[in-house]
Amino acid sequence: ETGVTQTPRHLVMGMTNKKSLKCEQHLGHNAMYWYKQSAKKPLELMFVYNFKEQTENNSVPSRFSPECPNSSHLFLHLHTLQPEDSALYLCASSQEGKRTGFSYNSPLHFGNGTRLTVT
Amino acid sequence: QKEVEQNSGPLSVPEGAIASLNCTYSDRGSQSFFWYRQYSGKSPELIMFIYSNGDKEDGRFTAQLNKASQYVSLLIRDSQPSDSATYLCAVNVRSSGSARQLTFGSGTQLTVLP
Repeated sequence: ETGVTQTPRHLVMGMTNKKSLKCEQHLGHNAMYWYKQSAKKPLELMFVYNFKEQTENNSVPSRFSPECPNSSHLFLHLHTLQPEDSALYLCASSQEGKRTGFSYNSPLHFGNGTRLTVT
Repeated sequence: QKEVEQNSGPLSVPEGAIASLNCTYSDRGSQSFFWYRQYSGKSPELIMFIYSNGDKEDGRFTAQLNKASQYVSLLIRDSQPSDSATYLCAVNVRSSGSARQLTFGSGTQLTVLP
């Protein structure tokens, strides 16, 4: 496989469930991201990992928990979500030139996304 | 002022015409500018990126950057119905803290009429 792959493509979960989203990148990039895209709203950055270290957490509620075991894999663990968390969750990767102090000079490559519905 | 602002549209152009998409940003220190295309129900895909003032051409697409006026635009020549999508502008702006983030505009919906 090439590029950035996300699984599952669709997920329906109840508010008391626990589920995980998975992302894998085959581009040799050193940074990975989780974005949330809700209807009629801009893409929202949730988490950034640079060389497996979390460098950004954009005030995301604790019911979302990221995990980055290596530079090719990224997970988003979900528990006790709310209906307003229903959205398209996008994983992305990029090749950043600096180990610290992101400058976002490199393009992001997105996965196909997971369409999440919380009932 | 929003950090990255786009006209939401919808923008309709006839097939074969030039579509012009505009984006303004708030941070004068921004250095990287990207255009993504997103079809309905799909993820964003990179169209162009530009770092320097002026024009950058790639096939039917031209990105234009004017840092003094803080705007970046995307021109699509010879528009095709397959170009109908939402176009997202992304800029590395400095947010309320000291760190930069890649911030996306809300997107412009383009429809190319056959």
